[in-house]
Amino acid sequence: KQEVTQIPAALSVPEGENLVLNCSFTDSAIYNLQWFRQDPGKGLTSLLLIQSSQREQTSGRLNASLDKSSGRSTLYIAASQPGDSATYLCAVSSNAGGTSYGKLTFGQGTILTVHP
Amino acid sequence: DTGVSQNPRHKITKRGQNVTFRCDPISEHNRLYWYRQTLGQGPEFLTYFQNEAQLEKSRLLSDRFSAERPKGSFSTLEIQRTEQGDSAMYLCASMGQGWQKLFFGSGTQLSVL
Repeated sequence: KQEVTQIPAALSVPEGENLVLNCSFTDSAIYNLQWFRQDPGKGLTSLLLIQSSQREQTSGRLNASLDKSSGRSTLYIAASQPGDSATYLCAVSSNAGGTSYGKLTFGQGTILTVHP
Repeated sequence: DTGVSQNPRHKITKRGQNVTFRCDPISEHNRLYWYRQTLGQGPEFLTYFQNEAQLEKSRLLSDRFSAERPKGSFSTLEIQRTEQGDSAMYLCASMGQGWQKLFFGSGTQLSVL
């Protein structure tokens, strides 16, 4: 059974800092890994999706890396802003078949607070 | 494209009552997923539809839960004889054919008193 763990559970940083969120998964037979953002009481917004054959993806100030063999991914946020404050969730798709790409196993999330 | 829409946003009910939630996916998305999220946890997969066919159900989906997607468009999730343990955020997500990216709705927050 796939298990996803995120460290740290919570992180508080001053504005402008670069930061790294960590995600690990127990079964390396994944199809893809995604990072999501969730604001309080809201749904999830997809930030980055990394295919199992890829090493990293970048979008603006966000960079996600994937080391499938070691079961690890990191989300790097550059020059953090108060608007980045949210919960960040890591999720893996463990089914290689076309019917279940959306069946994801999520970590518990990292609650990020960026203070001015 | 107005995104994934879920109604109601909030539902408060008494234990033992039945509740029904609705999800309208992004048009032309043929795949639809339901997830449940409790406080402080990541979402957990409940069930998956491709068009109108329900192809997979989690063991979390007890016999009190039923989901439908008539005509392969909107979907409903019904919980019968609600229990306090059913209190959670119920999230719906959709995906287009050939895509891997999931688009989530804002969820329905259920509180069972």
